[in-house]
Amino acid sequence: AQKITQTQPGMFVQEKEAVTLDCTYDTSDPSYGLFWYKQPSSGEMIFLIYQGSYDQQNATEGRYSLNFQKARKSANLVISASQLGDSAMYFCAMREPYTGGFKTIFGAGTRLFVKA
Amino acid sequence: DTAVSQTPKYLVTQMGNDKSIKCEQNLGHDTMYWYKQDSKKFLKIMFSYNNKELIINETVPNRFSPKSPDKAHLNLHINSLELGDSAVYFCASSQTSGNNEQFFGPGTRLTVL
Repeated sequence: AQKITQTQPGMFVQEKEAVTLDCTYDTSDPSYGLFWYKQPSSGEMIFLIYQGSYDQQNATEGRYSLNFQKARKSANLVISASQLGDSAMYFCAMREPYTGGFKTIFGAGTRLFVKA
Repeated sequence: DTAVSQTPKYLVTQMGNDKSIKCEQNLGHDTMYWYKQDSKKFLKIMFSYNNKELIINETVPNRFSPKSPDKAHLNLHINSLELGDSAVYFCASSQTSGNNEQFFGPGTRLTVL
């Protein structure tokens, strides 16, 4: 069964508008972490934002915010005031406890296109 | 000052050859990982080492053998390369305490001909 689901293979957004990238997750462990990473066309993986399962507030980092709906097991990424440089693949990931440490599972990704 | 570095960045080789990819991190992290990203951009964990000890070993062919000489290094050796091994291989590191946010290397694009 998919542990991390990103249902939007591709998304378009107009420059300066906000966009929401969807992510749902599945875990029975009460302690977990949720991440979003950006992968531009140059290929590197860039950490954007983190939300812990016990965090009461939604995480924010500059123009990025994470809409954490624990009961619905969703962790959507909101990018405000989109810029052309935001065009990239975006991966949602979940960290769960694993024997000896942690294991992080990635979703299939959403490709975001920002239009001028 | 590169945090996680990988060499080489590109690797083109013939089927049946043996090759290695090296990874080093200077972040003082205690955990290192190897991921494979296929042509559809799907990112899958292969191995994870914590303090030089193997803790994750996904269903990867035994032609792939990781080696961690110390906490700062995790190398990946691949024997008898096959066409299906063509992918981008990412090394990453993290600290067990805290968020466990992973820092990724630039990736190694492996092409098997």
